[in-house]
Amino acid sequence: RKEVEQDPGPFNVPEGATVAFNCTYSNSASQSFFWYRQDCRKEPKLLMSVYSSGNEDGRFTAQLNRASQYISLLIRDSKLSDSATYLCVPNPNTGFQKLVFGTGTRLLVSP
Amino acid sequence: NAGVTQTPKFQVLKTGQSMTLQCAQDMNHEYMSWYRQDPGMGLRLIHYSVGAGITDQGEVPNGYNVSRSTTEDFPLRLLSAAPSQTSVYFCASSFTGTGGSEQYFGPGTRLTVT
Repeated sequence: RKEVEQDPGPFNVPEGATVAFNCTYSNSASQSFFWYRQDCRKEPKLLMSVYSSGNEDGRFTAQLNRASQYISLLIRDSKLSDSATYLCVPNPNTGFQKLVFGTGTRLLVSP
Repeated sequence: NAGVTQTPKFQVLKTGQSMTLQCAQDMNHEYMSWYRQDPGMGLRLIHYSVGAGITDQGEVPNGYNVSRSTTEDFPLRLLSAAPSQTSVYFCASSFTGTGGSEQYFGPGTRLTVT
């Protein structure tokens, strides 16, 4: 099983829609997570950090399900500018660890 | 702060040529790393450094060398370019190597090897 698995998409949604995608991880020791956003042909940038059961930041909500080993990202009231690839990164948080990035889920928001 | 800078932005090499991709950061971060990103694949770690004078291999180190003589700079050397090294290369830095710190990425270098 891959360390991090994401549905590559694309998820095509209209403006204003709510969309959610999941990320499954194999390392049960992972205690926290990051969601990065990557625009086409650009560098990844941190979107959210998730240190407990979840985190909410405006229209974005991340939730962690430790029992099933997945985290989800929910985007409400989608904007055209949300079109990007969203990368999931689990953090084993046991000393120095090399981060493993998922392949990302592509989101396309249309007018 | 300029953040993480990378040069060049684009590069075309012929098979067998060597070159150095430059990376610099002005945030006094201890941890720096190099990733490559191929279409349909996630970021894969090539080499990383936890501080000046200390480097280690990542997931895909073959064909690449690194050194870390200063905190600010972390160049990546391609010893003998191969078409399989055609990719987008990202340099990143953070305060610590654990995932507890945000990774700051440079804008990337798009390399084509013919």
